Amino acid sequence: GQNIDQPTEMTATEGAIVQINCTYQTSGFNGLFWYQQHAGEAPTFLSYNVLDGLEEKGRFSSFLSRSKGYSYLLLKELQMKDSASYLCAVMDSNYQLIWGAGTKLIIKP
Amino acid sequence: GAVVSQHPSWVICKSGTSVKIECRSLDFQATTMFWYRQFPKQSLMLMATSNEGSKATYEQGVEKDKFLINHASLTLSTLTVTSAHPEDSSFYICSARVPGVETGELFFGEGSRLTVL
Repeated sequence: GQNIDQPTEMTATEGAIVQINCTYQTSGFNGLFWYQQHAGEAPTFLSYNVLDGLEEKGRFSSFLSRSKGYSYLLLKELQMKDSASYLCAVMDSNYQLIWGAGTKLIIKP
Repeated sequence: GAVVSQHPSWVICKSGTSVKIECRSLDFQATTMFWYRQFPKQSLMLMATSNEGSKATYEQGVEKDKFLINHASLTLSTLTVTSAHPEDSSFYICSARVPGVETGELFFGEGSRLTVL
């Protein structure tokens, strides 16, 4: 079966760095997405990786290793507004998105 | 980026009534839209794929007669929860992808929180 694993919850301190991991097992691979979702709101797009390596976008970076079925989202200089759930999603060979359960990130002052 | 708008944002209804949720792509034509449901502290669950001009494709376990989907135009898809019951209370979110970009990001509507009393 298809499976996406990510930690349920993480806590970090304002100004620090946090890495959210995601491992996946899917039928084919057409890219991995990271979305941010604040409580009660719809997800918003953060990043897309289809090739191995690191994609940097401001304070957020996303890494992919296809051979390991692994990705991480790196958030630097954490701000209180970064408190949200972070969803990892993989697009399979049928271009269907398989969603992880999300990682709730709690930022403390 | 592309904009998807969803309405209403909040709806409270009595058990047994029907509720319609609209999803519009505002600046692009979406031949396909996706309807998700999300329960508290859980991930997104794809309910169905809405196809313009044809029948929707439902995921396994989703009742077609209960969740009616109509995609009558290239910019509008509607989800009707028929004879709603308290267990249907959830966060319903629609999304669409810019046509021709199969691996493109999904643009989400604001979501509709349904509470059935």
